[in-house]
Amino acid sequence: LAKTTQPISMDSYEGQEVNITCSHNNIATNDYITWYQQFPSQGPRFIIQGYKTKVTNEVASLFIPADRKSSTLSLPRVSLSDTAVYYCLVGDRHSGNTPLVFGKGTRLSVIA
Amino acid sequence: DADVTQTPRNRITKTGKRIMLECSQTKGHDRMYWYRQDPGLGLRLIYYSFDVKDINKGEISDGYSVSRQAQAKFSLSLESAIPNQTALYFCATSDFGEAAQETQYFGPGTRLLVL
Repeated sequence: LAKTTQPISMDSYEGQEVNITCSHNNIATNDYITWYQQFPSQGPRFIIQGYKTKVTNEVASLFIPADRKSSTLSLPRVSLSDTAVYYCLVGDRHSGNTPLVFGKGTRLSVIA
Repeated sequence: DADVTQTPRNRITKTGKRIMLECSQTKGHDRMYWYRQDPGLGLRLIYYSFDVKDINKGEISDGYSVSRQAQAKFSLSLESAIPNQTALYFCATSDFGEAAQETQYFGPGTRLLVL
């Protein structure tokens, strides 16, 4: 599976839009992208998932450019409760026998 | 996620002791995983199981063993606990959506301290 690279940390003020970009230069044709959120002392929680273009749900948007070598998680108007670690993962749709890999993630701190 | 439970939630043990961490799920998923997390680090995979008869080593399996007693139960054992196994342990299950994309569901975690 493609290796992912994310910023180690980011800071934002409440009410701002936050964009976290993940690089996955070696992404393969069948690979998809998933983002998880983890609060302190809790297990990660699924946020959003996509293969190409744009995906939006009630929590976030995921932007994937045509070359798919990166993806951006967008959190609209963050609040203090969005302070968490965000993980970008790449999975293979056609070979589900390779376990997903969680890197160190991006630690987002939202400031009042 | 209440559908994935872990026991105990907290455990203190001494070096050399054998301990077992248990995970149960009511989601009906075939796939189950054990991860450990150390302060400031991401999750590292210890063992995973794709069905009751399938057990696979992950990135850091040394010093650990697992048992898949049933579809709903996946236990992690530390045969002889050592202090550097002090960590937060997570169990997870997963399924695949219509687009063959996997989603994992995590338990609340077990905080283990080895003295």
